[in-house]
Amino acid sequence: QVQLVESGGGVVQPGGSLRLSCVASGFKFGRFGMHWVRQAPGKGLEWVAFIRYDGRSKKFEDSVEGRFTISRDDSKSTLYLQMSSLRPEDTAVYYCAKEGSSCVGDCYYDIWGRGTLVTVSS
Amino acid sequence: EIVMTQSPATLSVSPGERATLSCRASQSVTSNLAWYQQRPGQAPRLLIYGASTRPSDTPARFSGSGSGTEFTLTIGRLQSEDFAVYYCQQYGEWPRTFGQGTKVEIK
Repeated sequence: QVQLVESGGGVVQPGGSLRLSCVASGFKFGRFGMHWVRQAPGKGLEWVAFIRYDGRSKKFEDSVEGRFTISRDDSKSTLYLQMSSLRPEDTAVYYCAKEGSSCVGDCYYDIWGRGTLVTVSS
Repeated sequence: EIVMTQSPATLSVSPGERATLSCRASQSVTSNLAWYQQRPGQAPRLLIYGASTRPSDTPARFSGSGSGTEFTLTIGRLQSEDFAVYYCQQYGEWPRTFGQGTKVEIK
């Protein structure tokens, strides 16, 4: 069964750090680009970060550039999002998402995890 | 950044009726447009990609059309499980951007 499972969310004070993980199963993780997408409470979806299948290309949304890093460990089929200098506006459910199997280059997301909640509050 | 604008914000439809959702891009995204469904408390789910291609697990009552800057998602004969929020997303340019969503509610 193709599945993504996020973990690592929690409550953190402004300025703090947190590392999210996303464990993949049921597909060859190392063949696909991966993304993080977040959703603030009661709001819409916002793309956060991307890492290419080989890890050689990374992209970030402007408001997290320089504060968040994305990485992957293909031996563990795991995607990470290291978040630092956290702000209250980073409060959201963070989803990991897999790029579609039929993509060449630009890609949609065919599998999403259930998300992990990050709350930034003092 | 490409701004995606969805309309209407809320659509009230009776079960069994047809629903038409719109998505407009601030500049051309060619056919790099996906639609996602999000039910309450659940993760988003892919419905349409390439503006009009249905994955194998998307019911045939969902259809997508359009290219460039104007896109439409049509849901024929709404069923109870279709009442949800629908998002369009462009994946042709960085940053990837989503519309603000259209909530399809029971009339």
